[in-house]
Amino acid sequence: DAGITQSPRYKITETGRQVTLMCHQTWSHSYMFWYRQDLGHGLRLIYYSAAADITDKGEVPDGYVVSRSKTENFPLTLESATRSQTSVYFCASTEGVRAGYTFGSGTRLTVV
Amino acid sequence: GQSLEQPSEVTAVEGAIVQINCTYQTSGFYGLSWYQQHDGGAPTFLSYNALDGLEETGRFSSFLSRSDSYGYLLLQELQMKDSASYFCTPGKDSSYKLIFGSGTRLLVRP
Repeated sequence: DAGITQSPRYKITETGRQVTLMCHQTWSHSYMFWYRQDLGHGLRLIYYSAAADITDKGEVPDGYVVSRSKTENFPLTLESATRSQTSVYFCASTEGVRAGYTFGSGTRLTVV
Repeated sequence: GQSLEQPSEVTAVEGAIVQINCTYQTSGFYGLSWYQQHDGGAPTFLSYNALDGLEETGRFSSFLSRSDSYGYLLLQELQMKDSASYFCTPGKDSSYKLIFGSGTRLLVRP
């Protein structure tokens, strides 16, 4: 199916563990993004990518790592999860700002 | 630097018209986008204004004044399903990177 999918939808992990959130899009969009959303903070950009092997930091990159070896995949890794990283994580892709971003359904991550 | 201002909450009656204002300060500004997000859902794209003026898409219209660093989203014939959060997102340079603020929570009452 065409679209952008995130996995898992829900994840509970312990402090200090490494966690990887997956994002896959089927359109071959060049641009992909990771945002986190917390109550009262709206959406904050973590990392973005302009193409395979090109990534850059957003507003809140500390504690996160990304890679993009293939155009369609953009995984986000929390190297050592902390409680402050409890959040809803959204992946998005776009072919251009005029066309708008398309967001995945999100991953609700709880760090205990 | 960058700043973005929207009202935090707006309440309106079903069938009415509501306007959600947005003021921004963004170096390298090149366009303003609007997104809708229902509780528990993902944001969805509504509109994009690159130039000054009004863009209309069905019941929704979006306006931009680049000289005033100001835009608004106009929702007509409000329906209960329009209750959601609305985000204005100024674009910066050509990076395709959008910065979202906290958005405006719209509550439509019967």
